[in-house]
Amino acid sequence: KQEVTQIPAALSVPEGENLVLNCSFTDSAIYNLQWFRQDPGKGLTSLLLIQSSQREQTSGRLNASLDKSSGRSTLYIAASQPGDSATYLCAVGGGSYIPTFGRGTSLIVHP
Amino acid sequence: EAQVTQNPRYLITVTGKKLTVTCSQNMNHEYMSWYRQDPGLGLRQIYYSMNVEVTDKGDVPEGYKVSRKEKRNFPLILESPSPNQTSLYFCASSTTGTGFMNTEAFFGQGTRLTVV
Repeated sequence: KQEVTQIPAALSVPEGENLVLNCSFTDSAIYNLQWFRQDPGKGLTSLLLIQSSQREQTSGRLNASLDKSSGRSTLYIAASQPGDSATYLCAVGGGSYIPTFGRGTSLIVHP
Repeated sequence: EAQVTQNPRYLITVTGKKLTVTCSQNMNHEYMSWYRQDPGLGLRQIYYSMNVEVTDKGDVPEGYKVSRKEKRNFPLILESPSPNQTSLYFCASSTTGTGFMNTEAFFGQGTRLTVV
């Protein structure tokens, strides 16, 4: 069964730092991987979707990479801001229609 | 505005009293699904639907029912709620019938359910 691990579980950094959030998965036979942001008391917002044939996706200050063979994805956040404070979740989609989510990385960016 | 709307946002109920959480999307999405989010366990899928009248179990379907009579609506039904169903519930939709993950997914704001 697919397992998704996110490291670190929590992160606190000063504003302006470049960050790397990690997501690893045990079964490399995935179709795609999606990074989400969750603000307290709110739903998830999709940030980046990477198909299995792609190596990376970029949106503004965010860049997500995917290495299927090693079972890893990273979310890179450039020049972090206090507004980036949230929980970041990754989810992988495989042969079934049931995605597997990681438990998330809780990020605090302080001014 | 594209959105997934869940109601109610908060609900406190007693054991055994049937309840329904509604979910509606305005994007004409084929794929809809329900999740529960629990501390230390993350998000787990309860049920999903690939289109009208097509539903299937997710990872944790026990104690839940769903229906998909219209494309826009996907209610979650708890026939006899129990305290272990206390959780934060999310509805989600996406554009393709081939699966949740193939395109950007849209989530509702969540329903916090407490069963006493």
